Amino acid sequence: GAGVSQSPSNKVTEKGKDVELRCDPISGHTALYWYRQSLGQGLEFLIYFQGNSAPDKSGLPSDRFSAERTGGSVSTLTIQRTQQEDSAVYLCASSPGQVGETQYFGPGTRLLVL
Amino acid sequence: AQSVTQPDIHITVSEGASLELRCNYSYGATPYLFWYVQSPGQGLQLLLKYFSGDTLVQGIKGFEAEFKRSQSSFNLRKPSVHWSDAAEYFCAVGSPGYSSASKIIFGSGTRLSIRP
Repeated sequence: GAGVSQSPSNKVTEKGKDVELRCDPISGHTALYWYRQSLGQGLEFLIYFQGNSAPDKSGLPSDRFSAERTGGSVSTLTIQRTQQEDSAVYLCASSPGQVGETQYFGPGTRLLVL
Repeated sequence: AQSVTQPDIHITVSEGASLELRCNYSYGATPYLFWYVQSPGQGLQLLLKYFSGDTLVQGIKGFEAEFKRSQSSFNLRKPSVHWSDAAEYFCAVGSPGYSSASKIIFGSGTRLSIRP
């Protein structure tokens, strides 16, 4: 596609429910990143994929968070047993995977946990 | 470990005035440096980037940034701001290469307001 897309754009859920956030990267981009942006905060790195593997999961805040990527394309970020502090905008970015990566960001998914 | 500091949380400048947003980084080698802009309700958009070579980098929308190794800085400048420049600006530092360390660390952002 023309750019990185994310769905849903907004998600309201109840505390304790599981949510899945989807990211469609730019076609051909091998690297994919997930970030979290809390209100008034900068971007917090969550996880990075190179192809289907995740060499860097260091940013995942707890074992309730997981992510996968299939076919070197679409990625899903899953948050289990959501908590109110999970409320944030979740941003996905992709890059070609070349040295010196410029990341192209999606519009984000705004998650609100009630 | 690499890190990025944007010391100004919020800056207000008058339309037509010049602008400088500060960014300082900590990194063991020459990093890749980026400035992104996030307009209200929009995704992040790359303004400019520095990889190597000329330390003065030109970007989109009339922005430029200068890499100063001695000061570990990569400040963003614009000679004359427009009301449409009101946004959140993020400086970022990246690690070159395909490795697992190849991720970008973002600063906490500077919110720019424009006074009419």
